[in-house]
Amino acid sequence: DTGVSQDPRHKITKRGQNVTFRCDPISEHNRLYWYRQTLGQGPEFLTYFQNEAQLEKSRLLSDRFSAERPKGSFSTLEIQRTEQGDSAMYLCASSYSDTQYFGPGTRLTVL
Amino acid sequence: DQQVKQNSPSLSVQEGRISILNCDYTNSMFDYFLWYKKYPAEGPTFLISISSIKDKNEDGRFTVFLNKSAKHLSLHIVPSQPGDSAVYFCALNTGTASKLTFGTGTRLQVTL
Repeated sequence: DTGVSQDPRHKITKRGQNVTFRCDPISEHNRLYWYRQTLGQGPEFLTYFQNEAQLEKSRLLSDRFSAERPKGSFSTLEIQRTEQGDSAMYLCASSYSDTQYFGPGTRLTVL
Repeated sequence: DQQVKQNSPSLSVQEGRISILNCDYTNSMFDYFLWYKKYPAEGPTFLISISSIKDKNEDGRFTVFLNKSAKHLSLHIVPSQPGDSAVYFCALNTGTASKLTFGTGTRLQVTL
């Protein structure tokens, strides 16, 4: 199966620590997206890459968040100095057309 | 401002009957509309989509209807099966490569 993969699936951290998540998109997809989902809400857009270029960032993406896609393949999302409000499911999606395909997500819990 | 609304947080349907999930939007710039299904602790799974030039798209048991003048989207599942029990999200974008704007979801429970 060559779907979108994300690692880790679960992360528990203490407030103030840094965390990094990885996303591997479907191999032929040039577009990669990060979303965040909290309980009872739909996913909310965070940022978008076309190949290695980060083309759009949401205002939800504070300066503690940084995302990279260095070679236009996998992407990383780093959160510095985590806060309890960062607890959420972080979802990655990839596409080459109008349809985005999602990975299983990384569940972050900040204690 | 909530641009995409799914006003029914939950829906219960008997197995074999039709499930109808609704989605309303406010931004007329949306031109591509998708439905995703989500199980707990998993990412959303793409189900079916429709572009703004159509008013209906069908794929097996799933049919999506688009009423642009009413800014209303619906997903019909017939016949409903217990495995369809999940949370369903509508998601909209304003063009290829643009971000998706999601509704808040409707939890569908298909009972025996």
